Amino acid sequence: AQTVTQSQPEMSVQEAETVTLSCTYDTSESDYYLFWYKQPPSRQMILVIRQEAYKQQNATENRFSVNFQKAAKSFSLKISDSQLGDAAMYFCAYRSARYSGAGSYQLTFGKGTKLSVIP
Amino acid sequence: DAGVIQSPRHEVTEMGQEVTLRCKPISGHDYLFWYRQTMMRGLELLIYFNNNVPIDDSGMPEDRFSAKMPNASFSTLKIQPSEPRDSAVYFCASSLGAKDTEAFFGQGTRLTVV
Repeated sequence: AQTVTQSQPEMSVQEAETVTLSCTYDTSESDYYLFWYKQPPSRQMILVIRQEAYKQQNATENRFSVNFQKAAKSFSLKISDSQLGDAAMYFCAYRSARYSGAGSYQLTFGKGTKLSVIP
Repeated sequence: DAGVIQSPRHEVTEMGQEVTLRCKPISGHDYLFWYRQTMMRGLELLIYFNNNVPIDDSGMPEDRFSAKMPNASFSTLKIQPSEPRDSAVYFCASSLGAKDTEAFFGQGTRLTVV
């Protein structure tokens, strides 16, 4: 079974600064997808960024980028020019890319990192 | 599209009562997922459907939990009888296809069982 670990329960960053959230995962599969979701106080789960494991190039979405290290099974999220609206819980998630029976397509989540942005 | 719609947003019930949570997925999506979020266990998959058929219910904690999807635009998660340890936020999510496409989440139902 796959596991996702976020070792930083809480982090803080000064507005306009850069912060990196860590995520490691464990899998025996070679083909999979990784995601970062943001959960603000409204509870809505919002997809921030997605990475396909077969792609070597790190995904980027505006101020959000990832550092995907497949061999190390590491998938960190970098937020540049942090804004007050970035304050939220951030969840790293894993999903298989191949069907191997019931449960294959579920998202496996880490426990989350609470990010505070200091004005 | 209005996104995934869940109701109610909040539910407070007494132990032993039946609780029904509702979900309307995004039109055209063929996968529907029910997740539960607690402080202790984080986000856990309870069950998911493909084309209205339950595919994996191994995450359903016990027989008190049941889920149905009578048609492509509606699903329910029922707890009967409810217990205080069922208190959590329950999310419904839907996606088009199952692999690389994004799962869109509803705003969740916060359930409190007293």
